[in-house]
Amino acid sequence: DTAVSQTPKYLVTQMGNDKSIKCEQNLGHDTMYWYKQDSKKFLKIMFSYNNKELIINETVPNRFSPKSPDKAHLNLHINSLELGDSAVYFCASSQGPAVGGKLFFGSGTQLSVL
Amino acid sequence: LAKTTQPISMDSYEGQEVNITCSHNNIATNDYITWYQQFPSQGPRFIIQGYKTKVTNEVASLFIPADRKSSTLSLPRVSLSDTAVYYCLVVMNDMRFGAGTRLTVKP
Repeated sequence: DTAVSQTPKYLVTQMGNDKSIKCEQNLGHDTMYWYKQDSKKFLKIMFSYNNKELIINETVPNRFSPKSPDKAHLNLHINSLELGDSAVYFCASSQGPAVGGKLFFGSGTQLSVL
Repeated sequence: LAKTTQPISMDSYEGQEVNITCSHNNIATNDYITWYQQFPSQGPRFIIQGYKTKVTNEVASLFIPADRKSSTLSLPRVSLSDTAVYYCLVVMNDMRFGAGTRLTVKP
């Protein structure tokens, strides 16, 4: 069983479209995250939710909207996609927001905006 | 917020011990030091975590001096499969990763 699973694995779309990436964790964790990894491999945190409440919201365009229907799911919706949104997006989870950084990551969603 | 600095890349040969150092000069009292490994097309994977002195597990050792302003990840007897990017993360409430160190293990 995959601990943190995200779908789709690959997403190719046109500029201006709206797309969503889904994430689910079966670890019973309270906290979930979205990270963006660009072509230079920098991993940047975008959002974090703890028990469905937003606790970290980095400087991310408001075209990006996370949604957490329950603590096992954290989805990422992106409106009006731009070329610069092309990257790999990782979902992660941890037992709590302050557990010293032990994160469990999904395998990533490679988003290509054409 | 603690910022980390690591070498961009390192090369090694199979069977050697590899030490990767991370600087974190403004680490806070309640920050932990965590290291991750990332293979191509995969998410980062937790390797080891420590607060002070030395921590060892089946994969690696982590050395942290008394001032905690740096830490060293030690990989014993690396193999080709250890070729990956290694990230140092200093965090209690902040989950920001540094640029990572690309380790290449050669035969």
